[in-house]
Amino acid sequence: EVQLVESGGGLVQPGGSLRLSCAASGFSFKSSEMIWVRQAPGKGLEWVSYINNIGTTLHYTDSVRGRFTTSRDNANNSLYLQMDSLRADDTAVYFCARVGTVVTTEVDYWGQGTLVTVSS
Amino acid sequence: EIVLTQSPGTLALSPGERATLSCRASQSVVSRYLAWYQQKLGQAPRLLIYGASSRATGIPDRFSGSGSGTDFTLTISRLEPEDSAVYYCQHYGGSPLWTFGQGTKLEIK
Repeated sequence: EVQLVESGGGLVQPGGSLRLSCAASGFSFKSSEMIWVRQAPGKGLEWVSYINNIGTTLHYTDSVRGRFTTSRDNANNSLYLQMDSLRADDTAVYFCARVGTVVTTEVDYWGQGTLVTVSS
Repeated sequence: EIVLTQSPGTLALSPGERATLSCRASQSVVSRYLAWYQQKLGQAPRLLIYGASSRATGIPDRFSGSGSGTDFTLTISRLEPEDSAVYYCQHYGGSPLWTFGQGTKLEIK
């Protein structure tokens, strides 16, 4: 069974940092491209970042580029999102998800998400 | 930037009816890169349709996708109470890489 379990969310002050983790199991993590998607309270889905299977190709949405860093540890089946210079509009549930392997642009598995709240 | 506009914003139907959800792109997109997701309250999204019309693993045939160019449709036939959810279309390509529509809320009353 595919599982993606996020952790590391919480309350942080504006300007602060937080590191999210995503533990993967039930599939070949080292062969999978991964993304982070976030959802502000009561809002829709917003793609945040992408990392290829070996961590050499990274892409970010404009609003987080330069502040967020995605990385992975294939030996430990883990995905990370380092978030610095956090702002109030970064408040959201953050999902880690796998890029599908059929068309390779669909997102076929999602974690349950971890809530990040940026507030003083 | 490609913008996906979904309509209607909210749809209220009865069990057994058919739901038709629309996703319109601001410019012509590659159908292969169009997907649909279902998100129930408090849950993660679930992939329903990829490549505009292919059902994901385990998705019942009551769910179907169609369309090309700028207009895409998700059809849910024989509605069940468990179909109550928000449905999102998504496109890959351009900037940002993954773009989602704003969602259609489907209520089964």
